[in-house]
Amino acid sequence: AQSVAQPEDQVNVAEGNPLTVKCTYSVSGNPYLFWYVQYPNRGLQFLLKYITGDNLVKGSYGFEAEFNKSQTSFHLKKPSALVSDSALYFCAVREGLGGYQKVTFGIGTKLQVIP
Amino acid sequence: DSGVTQTPKHLITATGQRVTLRCSPRSGDLSVYWYQQSLDQGLQFLIQYYNGEERAKGNILERFSAQQFPDLHSELNLSSLELGDSALYFCASSTGGPTSGAYEQYFGPGTRLTVT
Repeated sequence: AQSVAQPEDQVNVAEGNPLTVKCTYSVSGNPYLFWYVQYPNRGLQFLLKYITGDNLVKGSYGFEAEFNKSQTSFHLKKPSALVSDSALYFCAVREGLGGYQKVTFGIGTKLQVIP
Repeated sequence: DSGVTQTPKHLITATGQRVTLRCSPRSGDLSVYWYQQSLDQGLQFLIQYYNGEERAKGNILERFSAQQFPDLHSELNLSSLELGDSALYFCASSTGGPTSGAYEQYFGPGTRLTVT
């Protein structure tokens, strides 16, 4: 069964500093990996995805994520955090091949950017 | 704006009652997903429809049911409501079919259900 883990409930970072939100996954085949962001009282918004190819994926709002197959990780990064980046971030995984592919979401990591 | 619409935005009802949540997917999307989000359970996948047919079930209770209509809008029916059903219910849609895992999902703003 596929699974995804976000080991940190909350990440605090000062404005202007780089940020990392961690995600590890487990699938039996090749993974499709996604990051979503949820602002208060809003639905989830798609940020970026890894399907195949370059391990460094660039997405919306200056975010990027690095796929690391050996460590089964897909950490979300941004070089310089903004206060407006404060939100709840979800990692999601989908197995890439065969039949129906359910998507599994992590429990979410709250990012707090401190002015 | 994701292009996915959900109504109503808020719903307050009593235990034992039945409610219907409505979702219209993005134009052209054939897949619709329903999720429940609560503080203690996180984001839970309930059910998926593709072009009118049920394709996958997640942690959906027997008291809950859904359908997707020919115009592709979907409804989630919740019956015999309990206090624990209070949550945010999200609908999402995607371009790909149930075997096209590469497509991201676009989420609606959600319906906040409060059961008193």
